Amino acid sequence: DTGVSQDPRHKITKRGQNVTFRCDPISEHNRLYWYRQTLGQGPEFLTYFQNEAQLEKSRLLSDRFSAERPKGSFSTLEIQRTEQGDSAMYLCASGSGGTDTQYFGPGTRLTVL
Amino acid sequence: AQRVTQPEKLLSVFKGAPVELKCNYSYSGSPELFWYVQYSRQRLQLLLRHISRESIKGFTADLNKGETSFHLKKPFAQEEDSAMYYCALNPAYSGAGSYQLTFGKGTKLSVIP
Repeated sequence: DTGVSQDPRHKITKRGQNVTFRCDPISEHNRLYWYRQTLGQGPEFLTYFQNEAQLEKSRLLSDRFSAERPKGSFSTLEIQRTEQGDSAMYLCASGSGGTDTQYFGPGTRLTVL
Repeated sequence: AQRVTQPEKLLSVFKGAPVELKCNYSYSGSPELFWYVQYSRQRLQLLLRHISRESIKGFTADLNKGETSFHLKKPFAQEEDSAMYYCALNPAYSGAGSYQLTFGKGTKLSVIP
């Protein structure tokens, strides 16, 4: 499968714990995006990388959230001191070149107890 | 700030009937508009984009700048069209330099056999 992959697919954690998600984009894609989707809502933009540079961050991305893409390939999204309101599906997407089509991964479903 | 509105949470039609999924947007520039689809237990995937002027799986969508709408249409619904449909906007088309997608809340299409 050469599509976007995300790991883990599901994560259950207790409030206050830290969690980290990984996204592996399509190999030749230089752009990588993180979105969050809650029940009944469309995906909401969190942050965007072009290669290793984080170029945009949403105000939704509080200080407890941090994302990295150290070598311009895979990316990690870390949430510190999780809260119940962080429960959501976290989606990763990638894209490249002159087209702004984004290809989505299957998502990581986070449940904070 | 941009906004995408999908007024219907759920749309039920009979097989063979015409389908129209509504999408309205607000943005001061000239954005690019997309329709994404999510079939049951599958990832979000691009259905079509307005600049391509394509018909995908029998679906078409016309950008109406005067009414700021991008409705998705299909003349004869099929059972396999049952899915969640999201309208999305990308301001980068107007040179805003941002590649983030703004999504609507989605419309669940149910095609009744």
